[in-house]
Amino acid sequence: SQQGEEDPQALSIQEGENATMNCSYKTSINNLQWYRQNSGRGLVHLILIRSNEREKHSGRLRVTLDTSKKSSSLLITASRAADTASYFCATGKTGTASKLTFGTGTRLQVTL
Amino acid sequence: GAGVSQTPSNKVTEKGKYVELRCDPISGHTALYWYRQSLGQGPEFLIYFQGTGAADDSGLPNDRFFAVRPEGSVSTLKIQRTERGDSAVYLCASGDSTDTQYFGPGTRLTVL
Repeated sequence: SQQGEEDPQALSIQEGENATMNCSYKTSINNLQWYRQNSGRGLVHLILIRSNEREKHSGRLRVTLDTSKKSSSLLITASRAADTASYFCATGKTGTASKLTFGTGTRLQVTL
Repeated sequence: GAGVSQTPSNKVTEKGKYVELRCDPISGHTALYWYRQSLGQGPEFLIYFQGTGAADDSGLPNDRFFAVRPEGSVSTLKIQRTERGDSAVYLCASGDSTDTQYFGPGTRLTVL
């Protein structure tokens, strides 16, 4: 079963704009990870944030985590056409082996 | 270095047949995971290996699904008596001690 939801389900922006995707989850977590997927195949790991962290940056990516609201957001700044993909959040739960539970994904389209 | 590889990339089979899907993890990764992704959904966990043993097989949908990792490296996911509902992309990931999971390109299984 899916852990939670990404919002929006689909997002279309122009190159150079910022893209924000949100993720909500249901249970206590140890960590939350964001992945990118092109064309429905392999996932590329973007960033991992632990439950005791509130914000992390990696290049043009900024991730926030609010454990009290059980939510996270992924911000992509100065988007490029190459950022077009589906983005998934995935949670690792407290007290279990590190299997990941994925959300339903946000499809991002960046147009020129 | 080499990433996670999966073979075959595509597999078409007939209902009732037996299939094997192979995963070669990143060298030195002790953790290996199998996920299944249906169209328009996020990946769903199937099974997790730590070394040679299955640490968590709670995601296997029924006893037609089985996975092995006899030498703690390569893993094979085996599906008996395939059904049309088994059609999906099967993803393998391997992990190190940091909780990050690195995914392979997946095997697209189509059951006719």
